[in-house]
Amino acid sequence: AQKVTQAQTEISVVEKEDVTLDCVYETRDTTYYLFWYKQPPSGELVFLIRRNSFDEQNEISGRYSWNFQKSTSSFNFTITASQVVDSAVYFCALSEADTGRRALTFGSGTRLQVQP
Amino acid sequence: EAQVTQNPRYLITVTGKKLTVTCSQNMNHEYMSWYRQDPGLGLRQIYYSMNVEVTDKGDVPEGYKVSRKEKRNFPLILESPSPNQTSLYFCASSLSLGMNTEAFFGQGTRLTVV
Repeated sequence: AQKVTQAQTEISVVEKEDVTLDCVYETRDTTYYLFWYKQPPSGELVFLIRRNSFDEQNEISGRYSWNFQKSTSSFNFTITASQVVDSAVYFCALSEADTGRRALTFGSGTRLQVQP
Repeated sequence: EAQVTQNPRYLITVTGKKLTVTCSQNMNHEYMSWYRQDPGLGLRQIYYSMNVEVTDKGDVPEGYKVSRKEKRNFPLILESPSPNQTSLYFCASSLSLGMNTEAFFGQGTRLTVV
């Protein structure tokens, strides 16, 4: 069965600090997809990134970067020079390509507080 | 604008009073699903639908029903709500079964059952 673990329940940083959110996943499939979503205080879910299991290239988008390492089953998310607007709950999620229902399995989320 | 719309956003109801949360998408997506979000548990899938008239159970289907009579709509029905169904609910849609497309989520419906 697939599982996603976000061990950090809550992180608090001061503005301009870099912060890394950890995500460790378990799956028996060789083809799967990994996602990160942001949930700001307003409650909606905002898609950040999707990565398939065959693409281990790290990705950078502005202040955001993602480090995918199959050897350690991790898909960590780093925010560089954090800002107050980054305060949110962040979810890592996994979807196995072989399951018919295509469900996203979510981690329990990491609440990030960026203090001014 | 491409979007998934849920209604209502907030709902307080009493135990046993049937309710429906509506979900509509304007992207012609085939795949739709419902999730509930609970503290410390992340989001868990309730039901999903691969296309019109095709629905199936997710991880936590007990106490819920769904229907998919039209491609754009996927209502979530609670025939006899109970307090343990107090939660934040999200509807999601994807272009197809393939997960190379991200799921679009609605704004969420916060349900309280007293």
